[in-house]
Parts: sequence; C-alpha cells; structure tokens
Amino acid sequence: SQTIHQWPATLVQPVGSPLSLECTVEGTSNPNLYWYRQAAGRGLQLLFYSVGIGQISSEVPQNLSASRPQDRQFILSSKKLLLSDSGFYLCAWRRGLGVDYGYTFGSGTRLTVV
Amino acid sequence: AQKITQTQPGMFVQEKEAVTLDCTYDTSDQSYGLFWYKQPSSGEMIFLIYQGSYDEQNATEGRYSLNFQKARKSANLVISASQLGDSAMYFCAMRSSGANSKLTFGKGITLSVRP
Repeated sequence: SQTIHQWPATLVQPVGSPLSLECTVEGTSNPNLYWYRQAAGRGLQLLFYSVGIGQISSEVPQNLSASRPQDRQFILSSKKLLLSDSGFYLCAWRRGLGVDYGYTFGSGTRLTVV
Repeated sequence: AQKITQTQPGMFVQEKEAVTLDCTYDTSDQSYGLFWYKQPSSGEMIFLIYQGSYDEQNATEGRYSLNFQKARKSANLVISASQLGDSAMYFCAMRSSGANSKLTFGKGITLSVRP
C-alpha cells in the first residue's frame, strides 16, 4: 500500500537559520508531489508542486525553495528563515491523473520561527 | 481560476444530531472534482468524500453525504448522527481535470460537537 512520510513533526528554529523538511512516498512511482502551508487557523496554501524528478513549480514568491532529487522524495528548504515562515507544512501526493483522485497528505510539520 | 468559499463561522451541533457545512465554488471548467477533508487538532488531513462534476447522484460515505447542487455551484457536506470525534476543522476543496491541475482549498469551518 502507498504511504507518505514527513518529518520532523515539530521544529523550532531561530530567525536566519536554514530549513530542510523532507517528504517521501512509498508504494508508488512517479507521483505528483505537493507542499502546502497552513497559517494558524487558516486554509491551505499551495507552495510548490512537482510532476517529476528535478521538476519544480512555484505557486507563490517566497523565502522557500523545493527540490525533488529522487522520484519519491520532495524537500522543502530555506537558506534563512523569517518569522513569517512559521506555520504548519503539509506534504501531499496524488494517486492518479483523473479528476476523481484527491490528495493523500503526510502528518505535517509544525514550524515555529523564533 | 478556481475559488472555494466557506463563510460559516464556527459551527456547533449537539451530539447525535445532523449538521450541514456549506461550500460554494467557482470555476469555468466543465470537468472537476469536489472534496471534503477533516483536520482534527493533530493536524492530519483526512479525506472524507468526493463528488465528480458529472456525477448525477450525491456522494455518500457512511455518515457523510455531499449535497451537490451544480447549478448553484454548491457542495455542502452533511454529517449525520454527529459524534464527539467529529469536532475538527473541515475543508472543502476542488480540482479540475488535467494532469497538472492543483487542489484548491477553502478557508475551512470549525465544527464543535456538544455532548
């Protein structure tokens, strides 16, 4: 069966420090992968998505970047964190190409920048 | 461009009663899918139910049903026989057809079930 792993679960980082969040998917190949951010009490904002190795699309300009070094690995990074980067980060993958396939989400990383 | 609107403030329901969570959407696409997700306090996003734009019947999944009114562009979630464990945030989302289409979310509705 397919599973998605995301870590760490929580992270407290000082302003100006680097960031690396990792997401991996098991049990499938060539998935579409997504990074979402959720501010406190708000909806989900799509940050990046990837349809294949090395292919990254950015939805909003920001202090973050994403990379996909392997088929089932998606990494969210920052060279220098800002206070505004605090939030709940969710990785997701999509099962198929049809419109009836929703997304399966990881358990999320709660990032607090201090 | 796609847009999902969830405007209800925090909702309260008595245990064992039914509750309707509203969702309206806007899209120019003919083929699209509508989804509802539940987010408990732990933060995980749990898929609840899906409705296709060409589906003639409303979707049902156990205690969840989706009241789909295409002409009104609404996709309300109905939870029957509410349970205390239903207390969570609920998100309506939409995705159009196409290999690279993205899932767009509403802002969510907080549901609290009272014993």
